[in-house]
Amino acid sequence: DTAVSQTPKYLVTQMGNDKSIKCEQNLGHDTMYWYKQDSKKFLKIMFSYNNKELIINETVPNRFSPKSPDKAHLNLHINSLELGDSAVYFCASSQDDRSNYGYTFGSGTRLTVV
Amino acid sequence: GNSVTQMEGPVTLSEEAFLTINCTYTATGYPSLFWYVQYPGEGLQLLLKATKADDKGSNKGFEATYRKETTSFHLEKGSVQVSDSAVYFCALMTAAGNKLTFGGGTRVLVKP
Repeated sequence: DTAVSQTPKYLVTQMGNDKSIKCEQNLGHDTMYWYKQDSKKFLKIMFSYNNKELIINETVPNRFSPKSPDKAHLNLHINSLELGDSAVYFCASSQDDRSNYGYTFGSGTRLTVV
Repeated sequence: GNSVTQMEGPVTLSEEAFLTINCTYTATGYPSLFWYVQYPGEGLQLLLKATKADDKGSNKGFEATYRKETTSFHLEKGSVQVSDSAVYFCALMTAAGNKLTFGGGTRVLVKP
């Protein structure tokens, strides 16, 4: 059983489109995250939800909207996609938002905007 | 704010060589420190961690010691294998914070 699963794994789309990435965790964790990894492998947090409540929203354009229907799911919707949105997006989860146990990451969604 | 600095790669080694990846941090308070590894095409996996000064984290032959006096958490492995080729990320989380802050990653390439 995959602990943190993201779909799709690859997403190629045109500029201006709207797309969603889904994430689910079966670890019973309370907190979930979205990270963006750019072409130089730099990782930056985008959002964090704890028990369906938004707790981190790092200077991300409002074209990006996370949604957490329950604590096991955190989806990412992106409107009006731009070339600069091309990156690998990682979902992660942790026991809670103060966890010293580290995060469990999904395998990533490679988004390419053409 | 909090930050993590690690040596830029790529680091290219021969099999059985000694590996060191330097990591230093800036943080308020006393953070927990982590090393993550990302194999090609995969997500990040927790490699090891240390939660207080002088703690040593270890896993799969890798070690790192939390050095508060030098604010460092260098990763070492005595004898690398081709399968250790990956990108390695140093990260921290403070007690007051609620997110992992990552360094820029170091690509390691081990040649047979």
